Amino acid sequence: EDKVVQSPLSLVVHEGDTVTLNCSYEVTNFRSLLWYKQEKKAPTFLFMLTSSGIEKKSGRLSSILDKKELFSILNITATQTGDSAVYLCAALIQGAQKLVFGQGTRLTINP
Amino acid sequence: GAGVSQSPSNKVTEKGKDVELRCDPISGHTALYWYRQSLGQGLEFLIYFQGNSAPDKSGLPSDRFSAERTGGSVSTLTIQRTQQEDSAVYLCASSLDGYEQYFGPGTRLTVT
Repeated sequence: EDKVVQSPLSLVVHEGDTVTLNCSYEVTNFRSLLWYKQEKKAPTFLFMLTSSGIEKKSGRLSSILDKKELFSILNITATQTGDSAVYLCAALIQGAQKLVFGQGTRLTINP
Repeated sequence: GAGVSQSPSNKVTEKGKDVELRCDPISGHTALYWYRQSLGQGLEFLIYFQGNSAPDKSGLPSDRFSAERTGGSVSTLTIQRTQQEDSAVYLCASSLDGYEQYFGPGTRLTVT
């Protein structure tokens, strides 16, 4: 059975801290790993990672994929209260084109 | 440009009634997906359309659930004889290339 596991499930930090969110996966026919930010209802796309070891960066957010160890991390530096959200990772299944999601990490940034 | 839109945003229905949820994908996106998110759960895949055909219906939880897509654009998810366990947020996503999927705001369905 395809499975994506995120950790921690919940994280509370102070503004300005750096956080690392983890995502491990066990899926057949893996194609890519995607990260989303969900604040209210609609998950918003952050990154898609297909190759190992190549960091993707957008402002204070960055992410990398390790296809040998089957995991990805999402880093957020100099956190702000606006970063508070649920962060979802998902494995894209080749052929089926469907996303298998983890449970999400609820990140709370306190001022 | 316009993103994925869904309607209604909220729907409250009585157990046993049928409901229809609508999704308008991003213009030009050929792939369309339905997911649902139950309270405290991750997103669960329901069905995928490429054009008007559905190559993967594996996630539909029962035969009370069906979906169609017409004109390669709008899709409707229908739930017949709703049950309380159908209460969830139903999310639609679309994709141009079958890789990056962009989500709509969802429909919150409450079955009383």
